[in-house]
Amino acid sequence: QQQVKQSPQSLIVQKGGISIINCAYENTAFDYFPWYQQFPGKGPALLIAIRPDVSEKKEGRFTISFNKSAKQFSLHIMDSQPGDSATYFCAASMYSGAGSYQLTFGKGTKLSVIP
Amino acid sequence: KAGVTQTPRYLIKTRGQQVTLSCSPISGHRSVSWYQQTPGQGLQFLFEYFSETQRNKGNFPGRFSGRQFSNSRSEMNVSTLELGDSALYLCASSLMDGGQETQYFGPGTRLLVL
Repeated sequence: QQQVKQSPQSLIVQKGGISIINCAYENTAFDYFPWYQQFPGKGPALLIAIRPDVSEKKEGRFTISFNKSAKQFSLHIMDSQPGDSATYFCAASMYSGAGSYQLTFGKGTKLSVIP
Repeated sequence: KAGVTQTPRYLIKTRGQQVTLSCSPISGHRSVSWYQQTPGQGLQFLFEYFSETQRNKGNFPGRFSGRQFSNSRSEMNVSTLELGDSALYLCASSLMDGGQETQYFGPGTRLLVL
């Protein structure tokens, strides 16, 4: 059962445009929502994260919008650059007992920013 | 600080064989998690180790196992390899001393099963 649904699967944006990736979750026990960026041949790297008590978080050109009632969150990349071309994963974390927090990932969005 | 390191980076095995992958976490990190990444299923959680104890486990068959050593280094083992085990295996470490903390991923080990 996929607990975090991510869309679109792929996205092509022109340089300078806005990239928007959406995620939806089902389990209300999730309480931490990070986004990861992965370049080919590399492991995922944390980009930005949000907790459900905040509706928006901005770091540079990257913004997370969070809608707790709709159980949805999204990543906006402003002024997209070719260097942003990568695969982006949303994730949701919840406490799973014994001091452990488990991350559940969306299936990823491959972003291509064309000049 | 050095990042998470994984060895080997690439592996080719045949069906029925077993394989052991290694992960060295960031210095001072005590939690190590393993994930399987495939194009079809994305990133799926295998298990987490903390202070040499498995603290959490995902929905994978018993052929997948792991362990953690006193220096926090971790290994995962897959026995009786199947074609479907071909994947990128990622290790992530974190301080995980209570509360939510960032997981830092290594570059992964790409396993091809023929």
